[in-house]
Amino acid sequence: NAGVTQTPKFRILKIGQSMTLQCAQDMNHNYMYWYRQDPGMGLKLIYYSVGAGITDKGEVPNGYNVSRSTTEDFPLRLELAAPSQTSVYFCASSQGRAGQETQYFGPGTRLLVL
Amino acid sequence: DAKTTQPPSMDCAEGRAANLPCNHSTISGNEYVYWYRQIHSQGPQYIIHGLKNNETNEMASLIITEDRKSSTLILPHATLRDTAVYYCIVRVNYGGSQGNLIFGKGTKLSVKP
Repeated sequence: NAGVTQTPKFRILKIGQSMTLQCAQDMNHNYMYWYRQDPGMGLKLIYYSVGAGITDKGEVPNGYNVSRSTTEDFPLRLELAAPSQTSVYFCASSQGRAGQETQYFGPGTRLLVL
Repeated sequence: DAKTTQPPSMDCAEGRAANLPCNHSTISGNEYVYWYRQIHSQGPQYIIHGLKNNETNEMASLIITEDRKSSTLILPHATLRDTAVYYCIVRVNYGGSQGNLIFGKGTKLSVKP
């Protein structure tokens, strides 16, 4: 299993540009999450999904959108990039069953907005 | 979710046991203690979790006090590759909106030769 994969690894955006961060998992996990991590800080939840077709906001959703059309994929969309969105973005997945809540993280996408 | 308190940094000699403390005095009866670590800006990695009994796996041991207000993560023989930020997280054990992990600043463990 590849686990959780993320693309791209690094991207530079200009203010106002848009992009999609890709996330895929091959563990047949129901739950998927997007976090962001600012320098020297812990992770903050942006959006999460409990299954295909179901998404919900986390702690810091403004400026982002998500979709979950399949169990495997959970892309994160930035519509109008702003410098405040410069961060490292981590995708994670979990089984979603009681007692099996270990989250598996991808390697991250570093985004720089100039 | 209950809040946790961890020392910002710790040092450990290579080959020795690393004992990382965590205080969670407001933990609820249905909240688990989870430990994750993050090595040099990689994605966080799950280490271990427990409810009230001590737990051990191939990576570490978790000791939870009887009143559950604090816990200690033990890496029995620390190596240089264990240098990382270690996060102690308490949360109920199911997914969805309750499943997100609330990361504090963690403890930066430096293993020295």
